[in-house]
Amino acid sequence: AAGVIQSPRHLIKEKRETATLKCYPIPRHDTVYWYQQGPGQDPQFLISFYEKMQSDKGSIPDRFSAQQFSDYHSELNMSSLELGDSALYFCASSSGQATNEKLFFGSGTQLSVL
Amino acid sequence: ELKVEQNPLFLSMQEGKNYTIYCNYSTTSDRLYWYRQDPGKSLESLFVLLSNGAVKQEGRLMASLDTKARLSTLHITAAVHDLSATYFCAVDISSGDKLTFGTGTRLAVRP
Repeated sequence: AAGVIQSPRHLIKEKRETATLKCYPIPRHDTVYWYQQGPGQDPQFLISFYEKMQSDKGSIPDRFSAQQFSDYHSELNMSSLELGDSALYFCASSSGQATNEKLFFGSGTQLSVL
Repeated sequence: ELKVEQNPLFLSMQEGKNYTIYCNYSTTSDRLYWYRQDPGKSLESLFVLLSNGAVKQEGRLMASLDTKARLSTLHITAAVHDLSATYFCAVDISSGDKLTFGTGTRLAVRP
């Protein structure tokens, strides 16, 4: 069965550079969520989209932006990268905003800022 | 602000033993999830608990939910090495799948 696909798997950037992370949800899933997990930390919710509109916002820095496209894939754009942005970034998808199903996570993008 | 706390944070247990991980949360919730994470890997969904008294079991893991006490437990029966991982509970209070994760319990099962 198709899962949530994230790219790239690993990304190395320098301070002040920009990065773009991509997420392709499970087919027919219309809701995408982004989470950030620092080393040894629990995942923190960043932002979510439902039907291409932002549906909720968490602790996402102003330097980050995200959007969901017509094919439901989503991109997280990160600018002016800081050392503290080094983390594992997960995307998850679901069908609809209220679901009794498990939330499915991608394999994550490991971002290292040097 | 929703707080989700797990204990213990670290658990070292012998194969064949039983143990319980606890997840307390501070606000009424619609749903509670349990996830497993291996180092550097994704979050694998284990259980979703939707109502008071819900109990779900899969293999050596059993999860339960007491919404009145705002408590969920993950019980491990006859642990095996393959269960070594970090286990997170996560709470959804928004009906929109915006999850607040617990601190995680790092489980190490030794021979």
